[in-house]
Amino acid sequence: DAKTTQPNSMESNEEEPVHLPCNHSTISGTDYIHWYRQLPSQGPEYVIHGLTSNVNNRMASLAIAEDRKSSTLILHRATLRDAAVYYCILRKSGGTSYGKLTFGQGTILTVHP
Amino acid sequence: NAGVTQTPKFQVLKTGQSMTLQCAQDMNHNSMYWYRQDPGMGLRLIYYSASEGTTDKGEVPNGYNVSRLNKREFSLRLESAAPSQTSVYFCASSHTRWEQYFGPGTRLTVT
Repeated sequence: DAKTTQPNSMESNEEEPVHLPCNHSTISGTDYIHWYRQLPSQGPEYVIHGLTSNVNNRMASLAIAEDRKSSTLILHRATLRDAAVYYCILRKSGGTSYGKLTFGQGTILTVHP
Repeated sequence: NAGVTQTPKFQVLKTGQSMTLQCAQDMNHNSMYWYRQDPGMGLRLIYYSASEGTTDKGEVPNGYNVSRLNKREFSLRLESAAPSQTSVYFCASSHTRWEQYFGPGTRLTVT
């Protein structure tokens, strides 16, 4: 299975944009790129997902490289509430891997006031 | 909507004891999942149920059993708890193959 590589930790200041990188050089054509985040002492929360094109939603934007070997989660204006562990996950679109998410260690994002 | 609820929130067991973790969702989702998270680690899939009446093993199923009681409920049973099963357990559900919704977790300590 394709794996993802993320920095262990990143820091940001409140109200500044944050770019969280993810490398997935062995991604296959049927892998979707998902991002989840986990706030302290809570369960993970879905953020965004995409396949080839850049995606935007109310929480964040996802920028996917043309070769799909890397992606970046963009938080446009970080708030203290965005301090969390961010997981970049490759999710197969079908077959026996239905629904399965494989979590790595993620990136710990610290937001400074 | 309550979303995904889990009971209990905390539990301490002695080695060899058994217990069942309960999970329920009120979003009419077809699929449900059980994960465990050890300190400083990401989540690992224990079992999942793609639809009512079906269950399948995930990455770390040994020592666990599951029951998909109905569309709403998915329980996880530890028949003979071991200290290695000390962890935080998360239940999740999803309607499509996209976003999963997670419960608040159960913190289990086995002494």
